[in-house]
Amino acid sequence: DIVLTQSPLSLPVTPGEPASISCRSSQSLLHSNGYKYVSWYLQKPGQSPRLLIYLGSYRASGVPDRFSGSGSGTDFTLKVSRVEAEDVGIYYCMQVLQTPITFGQGTRLDIK
Amino acid sequence: EVQLVESGGGLVQPGGSLILSCAASGFTFSNYWMTWVRQAPGKGLEWVANIKEDGSEINYVNSVKGRFTISRDNARNSLSLHMNSLRDEDTAVYYCARPSNGAFDIWGQGTVVTVSS
Repeated sequence: DIVLTQSPLSLPVTPGEPASISCRSSQSLLHSNGYKYVSWYLQKPGQSPRLLIYLGSYRASGVPDRFSGSGSGTDFTLKVSRVEAEDVGIYYCMQVLQTPITFGQGTRLDIK
Repeated sequence: EVQLVESGGGLVQPGGSLILSCAASGFTFSNYWMTWVRQAPGKGLEWVANIKEDGSEINYVNSVKGRFTISRDNARNSLSLHMNSLRDEDTAVYYCARPSNGAFDIWGQGTVVTVSS
């Protein structure tokens, strides 16, 4: 199984400051078609997860442009350029390159 | 509006059975793989199973193989998860989700399954 390791697990951030979350994969997530099969989600308290980034770097519909995704075959990063109060919650990365589909353990972002 | 609505959760004893349903609307259901994801209390997300557009390909996480069955009815825009031999560790919120472009772009609100005596 592909293991995704997120860091940090807890991320206190001052509003207006940037934030960065890492997701490292035990295997390359680069498909032969050139796409990276990693996505990012935000789960706000009491809500279902919401897709933020797909195929490594594409913002989902309606996602603010302060969110961005980047990375190579095994190392991926979600960046929030300027954190707002509404960004609190748990962020997960996920891979669909291989079954079983796996998630990172989650990173809790809160406001300082 | 594109929407997924789960139902069927509840309290069940260990060893019991339960059937979850997911009603899809606002998109052409038969054009998409579909998937179930669960989240145990206070824990992270765990993928459970998925099914191809026409039901010809199905995959499960090892921990549910032989106990859970995913199925779909494209005529009724419906996804199901039949759960047998339930264990304490199956207690979770179960979400159905729509895979698209290598991600899960639409999620339901979830249905709660509690396995307890």
